[in-house]
Amino acid sequence: DSGVTQTPKHLITATGQRVTLRCSPRSGDLSVYWYQQSLDQGLQFLIQYYNGEERAKGNILERFSAQQFPDLHSELNLSSLELGDSALYFCASSVAGGRQDTQYFGPGTRLTVL
Amino acid sequence: QQQVKQSPQSLIVQKGGISIINCAYENTAFDYFPWYQQFPGKGPALLIAIRPDVSEKKEGRFTISFNKSAKQFSLHIMDSQPGDSATYFCAASMHGQNFVFGPGTRLSVLP
Repeated sequence: DSGVTQTPKHLITATGQRVTLRCSPRSGDLSVYWYQQSLDQGLQFLIQYYNGEERAKGNILERFSAQQFPDLHSELNLSSLELGDSALYFCASSVAGGRQDTQYFGPGTRLTVL
Repeated sequence: QQQVKQSPQSLIVQKGGISIINCAYENTAFDYFPWYQQFPGKGPALLIAIRPDVSEKKEGRFTISFNKSAKQFSLHIMDSQPGDSATYFCAASMHGQNFVFGPGTRLSVLP
């Protein structure tokens, strides 16, 4: 158990809908990362937050947005969902988001868009 | 420029053998190269990592070899065990940001 929690574990929804994925980092970790893992695209970095502020942005679509709250939990919002958004979404956390900080991954949320 | 290439896509090794996974990158600004291990239904877990100023790092049965001039790095698993059967990802990042992952290698260690 990495200490990172993600909810829900599974999510099934329809095209065009909006969903919110939630992540609680390990106790004491200030940085949160979001990743998308799909069979054809592999593990893709989406976005990183540090202590409530956006620190780095990767291959995140404009339909997706995220935020990190004062209690350090983070939410990833996916809107206007398409079939291709079906994937595993992982959250990871690290102490400070520094160069060699270990990222601890959560168990993931499996999103299925029908 | 941002891509990390990884090979092989899959690997089958006998118990006790050596598993070798190779990765290559283009962006010389990358300054941190971790390897992750992922079991089915679980999130990736950091296995071992290296900085570009070090040519080799060993932790138990796992060794990273790093060739800065060739922009290549590899993971060696000595005395491979069935419990090592998992998917392995190499990755690269700059200043702790913008992690780029390789496509993964599915390792099967036969008993």
